[in-house]
Amino acid sequence: QSVLTQPPSASGTPGQKVTIPCSGSDSNLGRNSVQWYQYFPGAAPRLLIYLTYQRPPGVPDRFSGSKSGTSSSLIISGLRSEDEADYFCAAWDDSLTAAVFGGGTRLTVL
Amino acid sequence: EVQMVESGGTSVQPGGSLRLFCKTTGFNFGEYAMHWVRHAPGRGLEWVAGLNWNGGRLSYADSVKGRFTISRNNDNSSLFLQMNNLKTEDTALYFCAKDVASPYVNWGAIDPRGQGTLVIVS
Repeated sequence: QSVLTQPPSASGTPGQKVTIPCSGSDSNLGRNSVQWYQYFPGAAPRLLIYLTYQRPPGVPDRFSGSKSGTSSSLIISGLRSEDEADYFCAAWDDSLTAAVFGGGTRLTVL
Repeated sequence: EVQMVESGGTSVQPGGSLRLFCKTTGFNFGEYAMHWVRHAPGRGLEWVAGLNWNGGRLSYADSVKGRFTISRNNDNSSLFLQMNNLKTEDTALYFCAKDVASPYVNWGAIDPRGQGTLVIVS
């Protein structure tokens, strides 16, 4: 059972906008920034969003982040076939004094 | 360009020990918090441990607390993970990661850059 909650799956068609939610609590998302990762098993996780809204260099602006209270979302606009991957949210948890990840959402591009 | 090369992973029996290494280049290592993250087969990503720029505030996931020790050498830009009393559930691909911009582990903006090193406990 992950501290951050994500739906196990999501899907969309090319060109669509997809939103992947992440739910937490006051001790993590309520107080701290959120990070989002794209992951292909066997490869290095790719940081897509950090400090809730920032994109590292090289990440397309199709990827964006939002947060309200103890919930956050990754928004992918103009969905592409290469976006089919696993996506994880993460944050620092002040009560656990640990970084915590969501369980991950497998995105399928139909 | 930021680069991280992990090594030290291998196959080991339950109860055994391993030491993982991460050699970094391309950034001022001593200015950033550093972390280890892992991915176990069929499971999600899991944060393992982290520490501040100066080796302080050692922090661990509950699943490894008391068995793993994270450390760093700022003089040669290296990160380490001493893993003792290994369990089958520690089988995973282990990644070295830097904080995006902070020297403090509790910022939590973790950025993995290496290809990982595989630990198999069996």
